[in-house]
Amino acid sequence: ETGVTQTPRHLVMGMTNKKSLKCEQHLGHNAMYWYKQSAKKPLELMFVYNFKEQTENNSVPSRFSPECPNSSHLFLHLHTLQPEDSALYLCASSPLAGPSTDTQYFGPGTRLTVL
Amino acid sequence: QSVTQLDSQVPVFEDAPVELRCNYSSSVSVYLFWYVQYPNQGLQLLLKYTSAATLVKGINGFEAEFNKSQTSFHLRKPSVHISDTAEYFCAVKSPGNTPLVFGKGTRLSVIA
Repeated sequence: ETGVTQTPRHLVMGMTNKKSLKCEQHLGHNAMYWYKQSAKKPLELMFVYNFKEQTENNSVPSRFSPECPNSSHLFLHLHTLQPEDSALYLCASSPLAGPSTDTQYFGPGTRLTVL
Repeated sequence: QSVTQLDSQVPVFEDAPVELRCNYSSSVSVYLFWYVQYPNQGLQLLLKYTSAATLVKGINGFEAEFNKSQTSFHLRKPSVHISDTAEYFCAVKSPGNTPLVFGKGTRLSVIA
């Protein structure tokens, strides 16, 4: 497995469910990111982790809870979501968070539908 | 800082040239990126400007020119192929620990 992988690729959940999204990078990077991609809107940065430490929380509601157990894995735990949370959730990684010229490498995303 | 992609959709015939427009606003020096997203895939870097040459060449025959006076970073390809049909995102970043800010995207549709 190479690059950035995300599972599941598709997820349908009710508003009372609890689920988790998983991201794994095989690039030896130290920074990982969660983005939300909604139709007709720019990508929204949600969380940034650098060397397993959260360095950015972009005013994300507490119903989204990230976890980064090591530099290769990133999770997004979901609970009591709303229909407006339906979107494509993208994970990305880069060598470091901060250096401006570092390229971020993206996974294929998880298409989340909240009923 | 912000990014404006002036066209939400651009249809173009195969083998024709294309330009996707991107303007940015920032009070400091910037680094600029173009990403492409094919259907059901994540974003892939096409090219980036990092304060070296103003004309940047990327993958798949794309290039972009940084114009500081016009605060633009338009993406061009002299001859498009059906396989170039995708969503294209312009992004800007300032020096230091700052986030990468994306535009809303431009959907390029190549018509046979």
